Amino acid sequence: AQTVTQSQPEMSVQEAETVTLSCTYDTSESDYYLFWYKQPPSRQMILVIRQEAYKQQNATENRFSVNFQKAAKSFSLKISDSQLGDAAMYFCAYIGRDFNKFYFGSGTKLNVKP
Amino acid sequence: DADVTQTPRNRITKTGKRIMLECSQTKGHDRMYWYRQDPGLGLRLIYYSFDVKDINKGEISDGYSVSRQAQAKFSLSLESAIPNQTALYFCATSDPTGTGYNEQFFGPGTRLTVL
Repeated sequence: AQTVTQSQPEMSVQEAETVTLSCTYDTSESDYYLFWYKQPPSRQMILVIRQEAYKQQNATENRFSVNFQKAAKSFSLKISDSQLGDAAMYFCAYIGRDFNKFYFGSGTKLNVKP
Repeated sequence: DADVTQTPRNRITKTGKRIMLECSQTKGHDRMYWYRQDPGLGLRLIYYSFDVKDINKGEISDGYSVSRQAQAKFSLSLESAIPNQTALYFCATSDPTGTGYNEQFFGPGTRLTVL
């Protein structure tokens, strides 16, 4: 089975600074999709950004961007100009081309300091 | 109105009680999922269903059962609740024919406490 690893249980960043959250995964598939979800204190799961493995170009959504390294099986999330509202749990997730099951990492809690 | 709803939002119950968590969606998606979230473990899949007649076990199905009453409704039951089932439970839907990503759309979650 695929595994998704987030090695940073908790991180802190100063408001307006940049922070990078790490995610690695293990798979034997060549085509798959990767996601970052945000879970604020409201506990709602919110999709932040997504990446198709066959696309070499890194996905970007406003202040959020990813660094996708397929050979290294790495998918990190960069948050630029951090805001207080970015404070949340962030989960990395993987799904194969069969679209059957999602695999989630254990999460990284991001604190944003004013 | 929310596309994926869960009831109840919070529930406290006692060991040995039967409890049902309900999920409804208005997104028209065929695929529905139940996850459990525990601190430090992320989200783990309990059961998933690709249509009304298709139910599949996830990685942690022991102690749980599900019912897909209609395309829009997917219920999770704990037949005899135990304290280590205390967790945050999420329902999710997806549609691989939509955006092509099969991204998950989550309900607001149910906080379950078993005393």
